[in-house]
Amino acid sequence: GDSVTQMEGPVTLSEEAFLTINCTYTATGYPSLFWYVQYPGEGLQLLLKATKADDKGSNKGFEATYRKETTSFHLEKGSVQVSDSAVYFCALTLGPPAGGTSYGKLTFGQGTILTVHP
Amino acid sequence: EAQVTQNPRYLITVTGKKLTVTCSQNMNHEYMSWYRQDPGLGLRQIYYSMNVEVTDKGDVPEGYKVSRKEKRNFPLILESPSPNQTSLYFCASSLSATYSNQPQHFGDGTRLSIL
Repeated sequence: GDSVTQMEGPVTLSEEAFLTINCTYTATGYPSLFWYVQYPGEGLQLLLKATKADDKGSNKGFEATYRKETTSFHLEKGSVQVSDSAVYFCALTLGPPAGGTSYGKLTFGQGTILTVHP
Repeated sequence: EAQVTQNPRYLITVTGKKLTVTCSQNMNHEYMSWYRQDPGLGLRQIYYSMNVEVTDKGDVPEGYKVSRKEKRNFPLILESPSPNQTSLYFCASSLSATYSNQPQHFGDGTRLSIL
């Protein structure tokens, strides 16, 4: 079945450090890929997305590139801030017909807790 | 403001006492879904609905029911809750499942504790 694997956490960084959170996926067909962020006590918010190979999603200084050859969608940020502390989820969806009868479902990785210290 | 609203945000209850978690969206979305979040497992889909009166099981449907009588509402029902249903629950919606490149919008979550 379809699956998403994220690097194990938690990740602890100092402010202004470089961030990479690895994400790889297994899917039938060509999925759309997403990064969601969950701040403490809140729901998930879309951080960025990419819908086809070689697309780069970007938002708030975060970037991720859809790499079909390595089935990866790694999240990067050049200089993290304390306010970036959150849980980050990599996820995919498949449209019809590759998604079978459950197309539209988000398949999530296990989440990576990021803590940034001043 | 476009949003997905869940209620209650927190609930502590006892085994076997029926409960309903409500979910409402104001974006005229066709697709709605329930997920549960557990440590180390990410989010897993419980049930989903492609449109009014069309619902189906997700990956972990045991012990849950849903209904979709109106486009905006998608309640989650636990008829006889058990402790293994203690979790953080999220409702989500998107324009249509056909457009898989469209992001899903999430509610703020409902933390359920079943004693």
